[in-house]
Amino acid sequence: DTAVSQTPKYLVTQMGNDKSIKCEQNLGHDTMYWYKQDSKKFLKIMFSYNNKELIINETVPNRFSPKSPDKAHLNLHINSLELGDSAVYFCASSRFTGRFHEQYFGPGTRLTVT
Amino acid sequence: KQEVTQIPAALSVPEGENLVLNCSFTDSAIYNLQWFRQDPGKGLTSLLLIQSSQREQTSGRLNASLDKSSGRSTLYIAASQPGDSATYLCAVPDNYGQNFVFGPGTRLSVLP
Repeated sequence: DTAVSQTPKYLVTQMGNDKSIKCEQNLGHDTMYWYKQDSKKFLKIMFSYNNKELIINETVPNRFSPKSPDKAHLNLHINSLELGDSAVYFCASSRFTGRFHEQYFGPGTRLTVT
Repeated sequence: KQEVTQIPAALSVPEGENLVLNCSFTDSAIYNLQWFRQDPGKGLTSLLLIQSSQREQTSGRLNASLDKSSGRSTLYIAASQPGDSATYLCAVPDNYGQNFVFGPGTRLSVLP
C-alpha cells in the first residue's frame, strides 16, 4: 500500500498557467508538508499544515497555496506559473508536528514550466 | 536560523568498505534528526530518526549517532553494497520545531 502518493508524477505546462498537484496519505498522520527540490537538488520546506495551523515558509511566493479538503489530503495550487517554478515537488506527512516523529515522503512531482 | 551542511558532497568507495557520512547543524537545540536516502528520480526514504535524548540509532548495517552539543551527526554504513548507492540527506527541525531543514546531501557511489 502506498503511504504517501502524489499526482501527477510529471507535469509540463506553459508560463502563466494555473496548476494543481494532489497529495494523499493513508497513514492517519496529522501533519502534511510540501517541499521543493530545485535543479541543484536542494530540498526546501514550503508549507507545513495540520488541522490547526498552516506554517508558511516566508520565501514562498503567494502564488503558491496549499489546500486541504480533509486530514488525508494536502493539494498544492500554483497560479501564474513562472519558469523558476520548474522543480520537483515533494509531499510528506508525519504524526503531529515534526518534532518527534518521522516524516514520510511521496514520490515527487516533476514540474516543468516552458 | 538553522543551517545544515553535509560532508563530503560526494563519495565513491569499493564494495565492502565501511564508511561514514557527516551532518552538521548550527543550532544545537534540536528535537530530533532524521536521515534519508534518495535514489535518482525518486522520493525520500526515511532511514533513521534520532530523538534529542538519544545518542545513536541502529537499523541493520546503518548506525546513526547524534552529538547535540557539537552540532553533529554521523551515519555509519557497514559493509557497503552497490545497492547503497544513493544520495543521503540529513534533516533537523528548524528553530520553531515545525519545519525541517535539509542538508545538501552526500552522493554515495559503491562500486562493485
